[in-house]
Formats: sequence, C-alpha cells, structure tokens
Amino acid sequence: EEQVVESGGGLVHPGGSLRLSCGASGFTFNDHYIDWVRQAPGKGLEWVGRSRNKLNSYTTEYAASVKGRFTLSRDDSENSLYLQMNSLQTEDTAVYYCARALRWYRSDYWYFDLWGRGTLVTVSS
Amino acid sequence: DIQMTQSPSSLSASVGDRVTITCRASQSIDSYLGWFQQKPGKAPKLLIYAASSLQSGVPSRFSGSGSGPLYTLTIDSLQPEDFATYYCQQSYSFPLTFGGGTTVGIK
Repeated sequence: EEQVVESGGGLVHPGGSLRLSCGASGFTFNDHYIDWVRQAPGKGLEWVGRSRNKLNSYTTEYAASVKGRFTLSRDDSENSLYLQMNSLQTEDTAVYYCARALRWYRSDYWYFDLWGRGTLVTVSS
Repeated sequence: DIQMTQSPSSLSASVGDRVTITCRASQSIDSYLGWFQQKPGKAPKLLIYAASSLQSGVPSRFSGSGSGPLYTLTIDSLQPEDFATYYCQQSYSFPLTFGGGTTVGIK
C-alpha cells in the first residue's frame, strides 16, 4: 500500500525549532516530488513548500510566509523528507501534512494524489 | 500570487440533491486545478485533477469542469458520506494556493 506518514510534531515555544519527517512506503520515493501543506486550527489549507526529485536536482520552493525560516531536505536512501522549522511563531501552529505530487502527462501540472494523516505543531509559550 | 475564490463558503443540502461549487482564480490557470474533500480530523482527499479528470476510486457522481479562471465541482445525487468541506487548489504557479473551502452541510 502506498502511504506517507508524518512525524515529529509537538509543542514548541515561540522562537524555537522543530524538525518534521515524512516517511514514504509502497512507492519509489526518489522518483517523486513531495510537498508540505498545513492547516491552522479551524482554518483552510495553506501550501508550505515543495521538494523536487534528484532528476530535478532536489530543488525546492517555499511559501513566502516560511521562506528563510523553514528548510526542506530529503534522504532518498531512507525514503524520507524533512522539514526543518526554525524561528517558529504562534501563527505556525497547524497540522502539517505531507503530500505526494504526481505529474500530469508531460505537462507542468503536478497534483497531490496521496496525503498523510498529518502531525500537529503547536507554538505557544 | 494567484487568489482562489470559492463560492459559496457553505451550503445546506439534502441527500439526493445536486450540488455545485464554484472556484474562480484571479487569472487563467489553464485547467491546472484540483478539487479535494476533507472531513473533520482527516487529511484532504483528491477528487478531481486537471479540472475534470476523476481520481481513481472516486464515485462518478463527482465531476469537474471549467477553463480559464472559472471552475466548478458538481456532486450529482448527494450521499450521506459527501457532507464535508471541499477545496479547490491551483498548481499553475508558485505559491500554490487553495480556495477558502466550501462546507456542505445537511439541510
């Protein structure tokens, strides 16, 4: 069964750091782009960032709200993607989901077909 | 950034009703659009990708259409398990953005 599983969430003080992990199984992780999407309590979905595959030089994209504070990295040998979150703020409190992005034919369109159950990050003093 | 505006933000419907949700992008997104269903405490689930392609395993009562900046999700004959929140999302350009969501409730 194909799945992605997030871990590493928890309670952290403002200004603190946390590293989230996204582990994959059931598919060839290193072929795929993987994104993070978050959802603040009672709010909608917000895209956080993208990690491209080795074929695309492991390049990354970030939302403006996290750029310079969050960093994506991946370990294809461990089928894992990591989100290092620094300088955390109360507005970063959310459930963080990782999602696999699939390419539609040979287009530039990538869509999220597989999501994890999420991990909760709470930033509070 | 491309803004995605969903309407309505909520609606009440009965089992068997036909429901239509609209998503308008602030510019053309060339059908680079997906629709997701989310139930409380659960992860989003992909329903439609590329504006009108039905994801494998999703019931055929769900359909998507549209072009340019305007898209719709239609649920034919609403079922009890369809009461949820629905989001559209564009993948045309970064940052990727979602609509604000439409909550479908029981009338």
